[in-house]
Amino acid sequence: QKEVEQNSGPLSVPEGAIASLNCTYSDRGSQSFFWYRQYSGKSPELIMSIYSNGDKEDGRFTAQLNKASQYVSLLIRDSQPSDSATYLCAVGSSNTGKLIFGQGTTLQVKP
Amino acid sequence: ETGVTQSPTHLIKTRGQQVTLRCSSQSGHNTVSWYQQALGQGPQFIFQYYREEENGRGNFPPRFSGLQFPNYSSELNVNALELDDSALYLCASSFPGQAIGELFFGEGSRLTVL
Repeated sequence: QKEVEQNSGPLSVPEGAIASLNCTYSDRGSQSFFWYRQYSGKSPELIMSIYSNGDKEDGRFTAQLNKASQYVSLLIRDSQPSDSATYLCAVGSSNTGKLIFGQGTTLQVKP
Repeated sequence: ETGVTQSPTHLIKTRGQQVTLRCSSQSGHNTVSWYQQALGQGPQFIFQYYREEENGRGNFPPRFSGLQFPNYSSELNVNALELDDSALYLCASSFPGQAIGELFFGEGSRLTVL
């Protein structure tokens, strides 16, 4: 079992729709969770961090965390073509304190 | 623009050669982490340096080594290059007290091993 798992996609949504990106993790002791966005040929950019169960909203982005189910998600409302990118879920390891990334989900927003 | 700069941006090497990649941290950031990102994969943690000392290492062999200098810039050295070392190498800096996962990445160095 991978430490952080994401569906590689591609996930295709029409412009204006809600995109839902999911991530599961294996380390029950993890306390910190992050979403990074990576455009093709570019480096990852942090877009959301979440530390407590529930929802955290920032503009069109909402991160959701359920520690009991070991599940993190990212919702993007009113998706725009400029949101087309790979979204990386990352989890802070309780053993090493270092960041473990999933393989990323590619999102395509079609005009 | 994160203020983290990496060089070179692209390079091609042959199997068995050695390579040095460089990273200049953002001002005030005394911690540098290096990641390897193979095509289609997420970044994998190589190691981290804090105040010129290695402060954690991922599952990479000893031929991956690093340095951090007093001005907090850093180098990643890879000896005896293998084809599987072809990847994007990312440097990320962070400042004292910053949350562990809130990293500022440079644009990366793309290494191709032939």
